[in-house]
Amino acid sequence: EIVLTQSPGTLSLSPGERATLSCRASQSVTSDYLAWYQQKPGQAPRLLIYGASSRATGIPDRFSGSGSGTDFTLTISRLEPEDFAVYYCHQCGSSQITFGQGTRLEIK
Amino acid sequence: EVQLVESGGGLVQPGRSLRLSCAASGFIFDDYAMHWVRQAPGKGLEWVSSINWDSGSIGYAASVKGRFTISRDNAKDSLYLQMNFLRPEDTALYYCAKADNWNYAASTTVNWGQGTLVTVSS
Repeated sequence: EIVLTQSPGTLSLSPGERATLSCRASQSVTSDYLAWYQQKPGQAPRLLIYGASSRATGIPDRFSGSGSGTDFTLTISRLEPEDFAVYYCHQCGSSQITFGQGTRLEIK
Repeated sequence: EVQLVESGGGLVQPGRSLRLSCAASGFIFDDYAMHWVRQAPGKGLEWVSSINWDSGSIGYAASVKGRFTISRDNAKDSLYLQMNFLRPEDTALYYCAKADNWNYAASTTVNWGQGTLVTVSS
C-alpha cells in the first residue's frame, strides 16, 4: 500500500498569502493518478488538481500542482477567504487506493 | 450533470449488517469504475472499496476485507456496498464516487455524492 503523508498538518496563513502544501508518498506514484481535493465543512470533497498538475474544470488558476515520483506539492498563489478548508492528496494508481491524512488551511 | 445519490445508512448494532446503495445519473454508468470512500466524524478520507466497469476487478481496504462486498448493477445504474459484521469503528459518512475511466486502479476520482451516514452502536 502506498502511504501518502501530508505536511504540515495545519497551516495558518492570511488572505493574500501564498500556501504550499506537501504530499510525500512511501513509494513512487504515477503522476497521472495523483490528485488533490478541497473539502469544506459539511461538503463532499471537490477535485482541484488531477494528473499531479492539471486543474479540474472551473478551478481558479491560483491553484497549481507540481511534483513527480514521491514528492508532490499543491500551491495556492494568493489565498482568498473561500480557500480556507482541508486539502487531501489521493492516488488511484494502484489496486490499493490511498488518501493523505489532510492539511487544514486556517485563517491566521 | 453527474449525480450520485447514496442511501441505506442508519443506526445499526455491532455485528449486524447494512446495505448501502448509490443511484447514478447524468453519465453512462457502465463506462466507469466506481468507489466507496468513508469519513469518520472529524477525521480524514478513507478508501473503502472500488469496482471496475464490468465488476471484473474489485479492491478492498484491509480494514473491511472479508466483511464488506461491493457490487454494481449496470442495468439499474446502481452501486452497492454490503456491510457485514459491522464494528463501531465503521461509523462514518460513506461516499459513493465516480472514476474518470473504467479502471479504478489507473484513474482519478472525479465526482462525489453527498454521503450516507452509518452509525454502529449498541
